[in-house]
Amino acid sequence: GESVGLHLPTLSVQEGDNSIINCAYSNSASDYFIWYKQESGKGPQFIIDIRSNMDKRQGQRVTVLLNKTVKHLSLQIAATQPGDSAVYFCALDQTGANNLFFGTGTRLTVIP
Amino acid sequence: EPEVTQTPSHQVTQMGQEVILRCVPISNHLYFYWYRQILGQKVEFLVSFYNNEISEKSEIFDDQFSVERPDGSNFTLKIRSTKLEDSAMYFCASKGIIGNQPQHFGDGTRLSIL
Repeated sequence: GESVGLHLPTLSVQEGDNSIINCAYSNSASDYFIWYKQESGKGPQFIIDIRSNMDKRQGQRVTVLLNKTVKHLSLQIAATQPGDSAVYFCALDQTGANNLFFGTGTRLTVIP
Repeated sequence: EPEVTQTPSHQVTQMGQEVILRCVPISNHLYFYWYRQILGQKVEFLVSFYNNEISEKSEIFDDQFSVERPDGSNFTLKIRSTKLEDSAMYFCASKGIIGNQPQHFGDGTRLSIL
């Protein structure tokens, strides 16, 4: 089966610094990757996605990097703000499958 | 922005009782999902639903669970005889089309089994 892990369960950063959240996966057949943000009492909120034919994708203040060789995914948040404090999950999708595999999550705390 | 809505936000039920969790997916979406998140743990897939039938289900989704789309807007998860270990957050999600698109999640129903 799929295993999805994150390198750190918690991450604390100073407001204004950049944050990097990492995710490792095992199934090389995964071809679509999504980062979700989950605030307390809320459902997972889509942040950014990337397909396996890409190695980098940028959004507003967020960048996702995909290294298929080592099966590693990262989320970079620029100029982290207090509102970025949440749990971040990577999730993997596979063409033909009908479900997402979620990682265990990293709790990001932004220190004002 | 359209969103997935779930009711109730919190459901407290006696063990052995039936419970129905309700979801209204985004209106033009075709793929529907239920996930579960036990407190402090990761989100786990339960079931996916397309074209009025289950397309995939996990080992968690045993005979005690069922899903239904009774009309054009609602998508429900029923647990027939609840167990203590069913206590969790239950999230509904929907997606517009097949292929690489993100699933959009509701804010969940917290199910507490006593």
